[in-house]
Amino acid sequence: AQSVTQLDSQVPVFEEAPVELRCNYSSSVSVYLFWYVQYPNQGLQLLLKYLSGSTLVKGINGFEAEFNKSQTSFHLRKPSVHISDTAEYFCAVTPVNNYGQNFVFGPGTRLSVLP
Amino acid sequence: GAGVSQSPRYKVAKRGQDVALRCDPISGHVSLFWYQQALGQGPEFLTYFQNEAQLDKSGLPSDRFFAERPEGSVSTLKIQRTQQEDSAVYLCASSQGLARETQYFGPGTRLLVL
Repeated sequence: AQSVTQLDSQVPVFEEAPVELRCNYSSSVSVYLFWYVQYPNQGLQLLLKYLSGSTLVKGINGFEAEFNKSQTSFHLRKPSVHISDTAEYFCAVTPVNNYGQNFVFGPGTRLSVLP
Repeated sequence: GAGVSQSPRYKVAKRGQDVALRCDPISGHVSLFWYQQALGQGPEFLTYFQNEAQLDKSGLPSDRFFAERPEGSVSTLKIQRTQQEDSAVYLCASSQGLARETQYFGPGTRLLVL
Protein backbone atom coordinates (compact mmCIF):
# COMPACT_ATOMS: atom_id res chain seq x y z
CA ALA A 1 0.00 0.00 0.00
CA GLN A 2 1.02 3.58 -0.54
CA SER A 3 0.74 6.60 1.70
CA VAL A 4 1.41 10.30 1.26
CA THR A 5 2.34 12.82 3.91
CA GLN A 6 2.08 16.57 3.56
CA LEU A 7 3.42 17.91 6.82
CA ASP A 8 2.27 21.49 6.33
CA SER A 9 -1.48 21.84 6.41
CA GLN A 10 -1.30 25.60 5.87
CA VAL A 11 1.43 27.78 4.37
CA PRO A 12 1.04 31.56 4.40
CA VAL A 13 3.48 33.48 2.23
CA PHE A 14 3.77 37.01 0.95
CA GLU A 15 3.33 37.80 -2.71
CA GLU A 16 6.52 37.47 -4.78
CA ALA A 17 8.21 35.37 -2.10
CA PRO A 18 9.39 31.82 -2.85
CA VAL A 19 7.49 28.84 -1.52
CA GLU A 20 8.10 25.14 -0.98
CA LEU A 21 5.33 22.68 -0.25
CA ARG A 22 6.57 19.40 1.13
CA CYS A 23 5.48 15.91 0.15
CA ASN A 24 6.81 12.59 1.36
CA TYR A 25 5.52 9.20 0.35
CA SER A 26 5.79 5.57 1.34
CA SER A 27 5.53 2.67 -1.09
CA SER A 28 6.95 -0.82 -1.49
CA VAL A 29 6.69 -0.56 -5.30
CA SER A 30 7.70 2.02 -7.88
CA VAL A 31 5.25 4.88 -8.18
CA TYR A 32 4.38 7.81 -10.35
CA LEU A 33 4.07 11.11 -8.49
CA PHE A 34 1.70 13.99 -9.08
CA TRP A 35 0.86 17.42 -7.77
CA TYR A 36 -2.70 18.64 -8.20
CA VAL A 37 -4.12 22.06 -7.35
CA GLN A 38 -7.66 22.85 -6.29
CA TYR A 39 -8.73 26.46 -6.62
CA PRO A 40 -11.77 27.58 -4.61
CA ASN A 41 -14.98 26.09 -5.99
CA GLN A 42 -13.14 24.34 -8.81
CA GLY A 43 -12.10 20.79 -9.58
CA LEU A 44 -8.60 19.47 -9.14
CA GLN A 45 -6.21 20.12 -11.98
CA LEU A 46 -2.79 18.72 -12.67
CA LEU A 47 0.21 20.92 -11.94
CA LEU A 48 2.90 18.43 -12.86
CA LYS A 49 3.86 14.78 -12.68
CA TYR A 50 6.97 12.65 -12.43
CA LEU A 51 7.01 9.48 -14.52
CA SER A 52 10.68 8.81 -15.17
CA GLY A 53 13.88 10.46 -16.32
CA SER A 54 15.01 13.83 -15.01
CA THR A 55 14.15 14.22 -11.36
CA LEU A 56 13.34 17.92 -11.80
CA VAL A 57 9.90 18.34 -13.28
CA LYS A 58 8.46 21.60 -14.51
CA GLY A 59 4.74 22.22 -14.52
CA ILE A 60 2.21 24.90 -15.26
CA ASN A 61 2.13 28.37 -13.71
CA GLY A 62 5.86 28.38 -12.92
CA PHE A 63 5.79 25.47 -10.49
CA GLU A 64 8.43 22.77 -10.37
CA ALA A 65 9.06 19.71 -8.23
CA GLU A 66 12.03 17.49 -7.55
CA PHE A 67 11.81 13.77 -7.06
CA ASN A 68 14.24 12.43 -4.46
CA LYS A 69 14.10 8.66 -4.33
CA SER A 70 16.42 8.25 -1.36
CA GLN A 71 14.34 10.63 0.74
CA THR A 72 11.06 9.49 -0.81
CA SER A 73 10.11 13.11 -1.35
CA PHE A 74 8.53 15.16 -4.11
CA HIS A 75 8.57 18.75 -2.90
CA LEU A 76 6.84 21.47 -4.91
CA ARG A 77 8.48 24.85 -5.38
CA LYS A 78 7.82 28.21 -6.96
CA PRO A 79 10.38 31.03 -6.91
CA SER A 80 7.85 33.85 -6.78
CA VAL A 81 4.19 33.38 -5.91
CA HIS A 82 1.20 35.42 -6.95
CA ILE A 83 -2.09 36.11 -5.23
CA SER A 84 -3.72 33.82 -7.80
CA ASP A 85 -1.69 30.87 -6.48
CA THR A 86 -3.86 30.81 -3.36
CA ALA A 87 -5.35 27.31 -3.41
CA GLU A 88 -5.18 23.80 -1.94
CA TYR A 89 -2.33 21.66 -3.21
CA PHE A 90 -2.39 17.89 -3.17
CA CYS A 91 0.47 15.46 -3.67
CA ALA A 92 -0.49 12.02 -4.98
CA VAL A 93 1.11 8.72 -5.95
CA THR A 94 0.05 5.68 -7.91
CA PRO A 95 1.88 2.40 -8.61
CA VAL A 96 3.37 2.21 -12.08
CA ASN A 97 2.00 -1.24 -12.76
CA ASN A 98 -1.72 -0.57 -12.60
CA TYR A 99 -4.31 1.59 -14.30
CA GLY A 100 -4.36 4.38 -11.77
CA GLN A 101 -6.89 2.92 -9.40
CA ASN A 102 -4.57 3.01 -6.41
CA PHE A 103 -4.25 6.76 -6.63
CA VAL A 104 -3.44 7.94 -3.13
CA PHE A 105 -3.68 11.62 -2.24
CA GLY A 106 -2.09 13.42 0.64
CA PRO A 107 -4.21 15.52 3.02
CA GLY A 108 -3.37 18.72 1.18
CA THR A 109 -1.58 21.99 1.91
CA ARG A 110 -3.50 25.23 1.86
CA LEU A 111 -1.32 27.95 0.33
CA SER A 112 -2.38 31.48 1.20
CA VAL A 113 -0.59 34.24 -0.66
CA LEU A 114 -0.77 37.53 1.16
CA PRO A 115 -0.46 40.99 -0.46
CA GLY B 1 -17.36 17.44 -23.94
CA ALA B 2 -14.61 19.81 -23.01
CA GLY B 3 -14.21 18.47 -19.50
CA VAL B 4 -15.65 16.19 -16.85
CA SER B 5 -19.06 17.29 -15.66
CA GLN B 6 -20.98 16.22 -12.59
CA SER B 7 -24.54 16.70 -11.48
CA PRO B 8 -26.02 17.82 -9.29
CA ARG B 9 -23.41 20.21 -7.95
CA TYR B 10 -25.13 20.27 -4.57
CA LYS B 11 -27.43 17.77 -2.94
CA VAL B 12 -29.15 17.92 0.42
CA ALA B 13 -30.67 14.67 1.60
CA LYS B 14 -32.47 13.59 4.72
CA ARG B 15 -30.94 10.71 6.55
CA GLY B 16 -32.25 7.48 5.07
CA GLN B 17 -32.89 8.84 1.59
CA ASP B 18 -31.29 7.37 -1.52
CA VAL B 19 -29.22 9.65 -3.77
CA ALA B 20 -27.77 9.30 -7.26
CA LEU B 21 -24.77 11.28 -8.44
CA ARG B 22 -23.94 11.53 -12.12
CA CYS B 23 -20.61 11.85 -13.89
CA ASP B 24 -20.04 12.63 -17.56
CA PRO B 25 -16.39 11.90 -18.37
CA ILE B 26 -14.33 13.29 -21.21
CA SER B 27 -15.39 11.61 -24.43
CA GLY B 28 -13.20 8.64 -25.28
CA HIS B 29 -11.67 8.26 -21.86
CA VAL B 30 -11.40 4.62 -20.94
CA SER B 31 -10.90 4.99 -17.21
CA LEU B 32 -13.30 6.54 -14.74
CA PHE B 33 -12.73 7.02 -11.03
CA TRP B 34 -14.89 8.06 -8.10
CA TYR B 35 -13.42 9.69 -5.01
CA GLN B 36 -14.82 10.92 -1.72
CA GLN B 37 -13.37 14.10 -0.25
CA ALA B 38 -14.21 14.92 3.33
CA LEU B 39 -13.86 18.48 4.54
CA GLY B 40 -10.22 19.46 4.95
CA GLN B 41 -8.88 16.20 3.57
CA GLY B 42 -7.55 14.83 0.33
CA PRO B 43 -9.70 12.77 -2.01
CA GLU B 44 -10.02 9.10 -1.16
CA PHE B 45 -10.48 6.45 -3.83
CA LEU B 46 -13.86 4.76 -4.02
CA THR B 47 -14.05 2.80 -7.25
CA TYR B 48 -12.62 2.45 -10.76
CA PHE B 49 -14.07 1.54 -14.15
CA GLN B 50 -12.31 0.52 -17.30
CA ASN B 51 -14.94 1.09 -19.96
CA GLU B 52 -18.06 -0.58 -18.52
CA ALA B 53 -16.18 -2.97 -16.26
CA GLN B 54 -15.85 -2.09 -12.60
CA LEU B 55 -12.37 -3.41 -11.93
CA ASP B 56 -11.87 -2.11 -8.43
CA LYS B 57 -14.44 -1.22 -5.80
CA SER B 58 -12.23 -1.69 -2.79
CA GLY B 59 -12.74 1.87 -1.61
CA LEU B 60 -16.51 1.79 -1.32
CA PRO B 61 -17.17 2.27 2.41
CA SER B 62 -20.19 0.01 2.68
CA ASP B 63 -22.68 -1.99 0.67
CA ARG B 64 -24.90 1.10 0.64
CA PHE B 65 -22.62 2.50 -2.04
CA PHE B 66 -23.07 1.30 -5.59
CA ALA B 67 -21.59 2.56 -8.87
CA GLU B 68 -22.28 1.70 -12.47
CA ARG B 69 -21.13 2.66 -15.96
CA PRO B 70 -23.35 0.52 -18.17
CA GLU B 71 -22.28 1.82 -21.58
CA GLY B 72 -18.74 2.75 -20.76
CA SER B 73 -19.32 6.49 -20.68
CA VAL B 74 -21.65 8.11 -18.13
CA SER B 75 -21.36 6.79 -14.60
CA THR B 76 -23.69 6.97 -11.62
CA LEU B 77 -22.75 6.65 -7.98
CA LYS B 78 -25.70 5.66 -5.86
CA ILE B 79 -25.86 5.86 -2.08
CA GLN B 80 -28.70 4.06 -0.41
CA ARG B 81 -30.12 4.96 3.01
CA THR B 82 -27.78 7.92 3.40
CA GLN B 83 -26.14 8.56 6.76
CA GLN B 84 -24.66 11.76 8.14
CA GLU B 85 -21.14 10.38 7.71
CA ASP B 86 -21.77 10.23 3.95
CA SER B 87 -21.65 14.03 3.84
CA ALA B 88 -18.69 14.91 1.63
CA VAL B 89 -17.73 16.06 -1.84
CA TYR B 90 -17.86 13.27 -4.38
CA LEU B 91 -15.38 13.68 -7.19
CA CYS B 92 -15.32 11.98 -10.53
CA ALA B 93 -12.24 11.78 -12.74
CA SER B 94 -11.47 10.25 -16.10
CA SER B 95 -8.29 9.36 -17.94
CA GLN B 96 -7.07 7.68 -21.07
CA GLY B 97 -6.36 4.43 -19.32
CA LEU B 98 -2.90 3.99 -17.87
CA ALA B 99 -1.49 4.89 -14.48
CA ARG B 100 0.82 7.46 -16.05
CA GLU B 101 -2.08 9.31 -17.64
CA THR B 102 -3.41 12.49 -16.13
CA GLN B 103 -6.71 12.20 -14.35
CA TYR B 104 -9.12 14.98 -15.23
CA PHE B 105 -11.47 15.88 -12.42
CA GLY B 106 -14.99 17.19 -12.41
CA PRO B 107 -16.11 19.98 -10.08
CA GLY B 108 -17.62 17.50 -7.64
CA THR B 109 -21.01 17.00 -6.04
CA ARG B 110 -21.29 18.35 -2.50
CA LEU B 111 -23.59 16.04 -0.53
CA LEU B 112 -25.02 17.12 2.79
CA VAL B 113 -27.01 14.56 4.76
CA LEU B 114 -29.18 16.03 7.50
